[in-house]
Amino acid sequence: AQTVTQSQPEMSVQEAETVTLSCTYDTSESDYYLFWYKQPPSRQMILVIRQEAYKQQNATENRFSVNFQKAAKSFSLKISDSQLGDAAMYFCAYRSAFGSGSRLTFGEGTQLTVNP
Amino acid sequence: GAVVSQHPSWVICKSGTSVKIECRSLDFQATTMFWYRQFPKQSLMLMATSNEGSKATYEQGVEKDKFLINHASLTLSTLTVTSAHPEDSSFYICSARDTWLARTYEQYFGPGTRLTVT
Repeated sequence: AQTVTQSQPEMSVQEAETVTLSCTYDTSESDYYLFWYKQPPSRQMILVIRQEAYKQQNATENRFSVNFQKAAKSFSLKISDSQLGDAAMYFCAYRSAFGSGSRLTFGEGTQLTVNP
Repeated sequence: GAVVSQHPSWVICKSGTSVKIECRSLDFQATTMFWYRQFPKQSLMLMATSNEGSKATYEQGVEKDKFLINHASLTLSTLTVTSAHPEDSSFYICSARDTWLARTYEQYFGPGTRLTVT
């Protein structure tokens, strides 16, 4: 079974600074998807960024980018120019590209605080 | 597009009663929906996968008779918590996958339902 680990329960960053959230995963599959989701206090899950494992290029979405290291099974999220609205719980998630009904496996989450 | 709604957003019920939570895909068809449970400051735990027209697939440790799932149409799945007890109090989240995007990687999440059992 696949597992996802986020070793940082809490992180903080100053507004306008950069922060990196860590995520590692374990799988024997070669084709899969990785995601970062944001859960603000409203608790609505919001997709931040996704990465297809077969793509070597790291995904980027505006101020959010990932460092995908397939061999190391590492998938970190970098938030640049942090804003107060970035404060939330961030979850790393894995999804197999094959069968399994496209279920997601989530990490434990990292609570990000943005200080003004 | 790709909106998922949940109703109710918050429900309080007495111990021993049953409560139904609805999950609807508003602008797409969803053959597959997922039900998650989340405790405060914890991650989402998958409870079951709901497939339209067939029985749900429950995760290990989830009581099928307690958490009844029905996915009777391509836009609606329901979760019924039967004989609820205070330990069932939690935040329940559903998500849906678009039927017509077979290789889509994305699940669309509902806003969640807070269940409080007194």
